[in-house]
Amino acid sequence: GIQVEQSPPDLILQEGANSTLRCNFSDSVNNLQWFHQNPWGQLINLFYIPSGTKQNGRLSATTVATERYSLLYISSSQTTDSGVYFCAVGYGGATNKLIFGTGTLLAVQP
Amino acid sequence: ETGVTQTPRHLVMGMTNKKSLKCEQHLGHNAMYWYKQSAKKPLELMFVYNFKEQTENNSVPSRFSPECPNSSHLFLHLHTLQPEDSALYLCASSQEGSGGARDTQYFGPGTRLTVL
Repeated sequence: GIQVEQSPPDLILQEGANSTLRCNFSDSVNNLQWFHQNPWGQLINLFYIPSGTKQNGRLSATTVATERYSLLYISSSQTTDSGVYFCAVGYGGATNKLIFGTGTLLAVQP
Repeated sequence: ETGVTQTPRHLVMGMTNKKSLKCEQHLGHNAMYWYKQSAKKPLELMFVYNFKEQTENNSVPSRFSPECPNSSHLFLHLHTLQPEDSALYLCASSQEGSGGARDTQYFGPGTRLTVL
């Protein structure tokens, strides 16, 4: 099956710092999504990004499907950015099935 | 608020109990999903329903029994669970097109299940 690996597994930042999270996947996929899971377990959609670059405020993401990786950029980090960041790749026919990566645990310190 | 709600938020049950988890989506989507998130593991897809029909059972033990009475509601019936089934159970929904259109999945807040 498709393997999804994320790096780094853990990251500690000072407030205001920038960071880049990486997601590698082992095969062609239909799409890729980035999620943020807050400390209470809620998964929040960040980006739906099968290819190209998107930006939303301090966050941006780039997926290079031909090279099977995606990057999530966080600029000017805030303590509220803390949590786990997951990438998930979609595969399948009529219904989009997601395979999640192992996640990056981010802690932003004041 | 993602438009997907789950109840209960927390559940403690014994191995001989029968309980049900409920998920409701208010987004008009036609596909719904159950995922399991165990400690230190990525989310694992359990079941997929598309237009109320089950399209995926990811080798889930029969002690987990899903039910999808309509496109807005999804249940997970639990019976004779084991302690290793303790996890966060997440429901999601999306709008899937018959022509291969894709859309993002929206997740509920999850039910944190503890099996004693």
